[in-house]
Parts: sequence; structure tokens; C-alpha cells
Amino acid sequence: DAGVTQSPTHLIKTRGQQVTLRCSPISGHKSVSWYQQVLGQGPQFIFQYYEKEERGRGNFPDRFSARQFPNYSSELNVNALLLGDSALYLCASSLGGTGLVGEQFFGPGTRLTVL
Amino acid sequence: DAKTTQPTSMDCAEGRAANLPCNHSTISGNEYVYWYRQIHSQGPQYIIHGLKNNETNEMASLIITEDRKSSTLILPHATLRDTAVYYCIVRSRSNDYKLSFGAGTTVTVRA
Repeated sequence: DAGVTQSPTHLIKTRGQQVTLRCSPISGHKSVSWYQQVLGQGPQFIFQYYEKEERGRGNFPDRFSARQFPNYSSELNVNALLLGDSALYLCASSLGGTGLVGEQFFGPGTRLTVL
Repeated sequence: DAKTTQPTSMDCAEGRAANLPCNHSTISGNEYVYWYRQIHSQGPQYIIHGLKNNETNEMASLIITEDRKSSTLILPHATLRDTAVYYCIVRSRSNDYKLSFGAGTTVTVRA
């Protein structure tokens, strides 16, 4: 079975631009979460979506937005890019569901560099 | 979620057991202990989780103290491929969506 896939692998943008990152969860998983990992730090939670609805949001500005599609894939959008947005963006999928404790499976990430 | 404390780094000899400690003294009764690891430039990988009983799978063993205030991840026979950052995370049963990563422990397995 394919794991979590993310595209693109690497991306270079300039300040002020907008970027869209994509994620396909493991087949059968209905929950997708997004994390940002700045160099030298642990991943920081951005969003979680379950059944196309936002279930949780981390402490990130409104420039960050996301959505989940009927096939459970997801996009993360970042507007008005800043140098500090340079990071590895990770997508994780899980079965999801209210009150369920489950493993999250991570994709390889998208490396975003903002110049 | 309860916070965790882990050593910044540790070394381990190849073929020996690696014992990674984690303190979570403020853990509450419905919170699980999760372990993930992240090999350089890859996404985090789930290892194991537990509530209060010791757990074992093909990757590792998790030993949780009786008072649940600390735990130890055991890699029984460390290999060079186990070199990674290991994260101990405490997560509530009702908080399905969020993993709160700290700085983790950088484990270096040496030949």
C-alpha cells in the first residue's frame, strides 16, 4: 500500500508570493494534519481536517489556510510568504474520528525555501 | 497535553540496547505516551504508544512506570539505521488531531 504522498518535494518562492502544497493520505484514512518544521526544531501543528471539516488549528497566522477534498486529499495554502515560512511542511494521515486515539502516518514532506 | 522532558542527545553502540528515557510528571489518567522518530530529512515515523501497561512491537518496547510519570523506549539491538531524533509525546484520548513535538533526543548509533 502506498503511504502518504506529498507534492512537490521541493519548492523555491520569493517573499510575497503564494504557495500551495498537496497531500494524499493513506487509502482509507479520513483525517489529514499539517505540520511545519523549521530547521533544528520539532514539527509544529498547523491544521487538522477530518471529513472535509477543520477539526483543529495551531497558532499560525491567517496567511495559512487549508482544505480537504471529497477524496480526503488536502491542500495547504500560504499567502504573502515571509522568509520565516521557510521550512519542511509535513502532512500526516490517520483514520480519524471523534475520541479515537490513533497513529498518525507522516509523508516525506515538502521543503519550502523563501528567498 | 502534558509536557515531556527528554535528554538532548545520547550515543549507543551498534548491536547494544538503546534505552531512551522520558519524563512526563504531569500526565493525566487519559493521556497516552507516544514515541515517534525522525531520520534526517524524512517525516516522523510512528514507533509505539501505551497507556499504562508495557508494550512491545517489532520495532521497540515501551516501559511505563507504575505512577506513569516516566517511561523508557527500548530499542533492543540498535543499528546504524536507528540514528534519528526520537520524540516522546503525551497525548489525550480526546485530542486525536494534535501531536505536540518537543525537541526530542538525538540518538547516534556508532559502529
